[in-house]
Amino acid sequence: SYELAQPPSVSVSPGQTASITCSGHKLGNKYACWYQQKPGQSPVIIIYQDSKRPSGIPERFSGSNSGNTATLTISGTQALDEADYYCQAWDSSTVVFGGGTKLTVL
Amino acid sequence: QLQLQESGPGLVKPSETLSLTCTVSGASISSSSYYWGWIRQPPGKGLEWIGSIFYSGTTYSNPSLKSRLTISVDSSKNQFSLKLSSVTAADTAVYYCARHHLVRDMNWFDPWGQGTLVTVSS
Repeated sequence: SYELAQPPSVSVSPGQTASITCSGHKLGNKYACWYQQKPGQSPVIIIYQDSKRPSGIPERFSGSNSGNTATLTISGTQALDEADYYCQAWDSSTVVFGGGTKLTVL
Repeated sequence: QLQLQESGPGLVKPSETLSLTCTVSGASISSSSYYWGWIRQPPGKGLEWIGSIFYSGTTYSNPSLKSRLTISVDSSKNQFSLKLSSVTAADTAVYYCARHHLVRDMNWFDPWGQGTLVTVSS
């Protein structure tokens, strides 16, 4: 079965750029999306179709996908961006989630 | 504004069947071209897709759950439901329902319900 791998944790200083990766075999040939989940809340879509932002999502969130890796980039990271982030793709008629990355802003 | 709300028992005994319903408001399940999905999250762990259904009844399911899983839709009530049989403690999780945007291989879930915790325990 298809797997998506994410680093368990990423740390970033306020105002800096955070990058969270999502790796899977030929992931660049598929579409990736990203969710943000804060404690006690439901996940929220922040990037879909590799790089598109839903309305209401700040421009500091961006996405890319090439080769075997999709990347979520948060520019000018703010304290309120501290959350868990999950990537997701579609493979062989199944939804696949990455294991999630805890972003710490310190 | 589209909203989804999960409902069902918060406690299920081992070996019994877990049953949840998702009520959709703000849009008709049968008048749109979206799928409707279930996702779960064990306490302190990551997200696991359970399955998704189109209003016509077409379903996609997680292969690891397929043998125990039934997903159905009731367009007259604007609801879709989940039944998971022979549950064990490993099925304890927060269960979310969500609209599943699925076109060819482009897919994402938005929006999500608030989630409901289901505990499997005797």
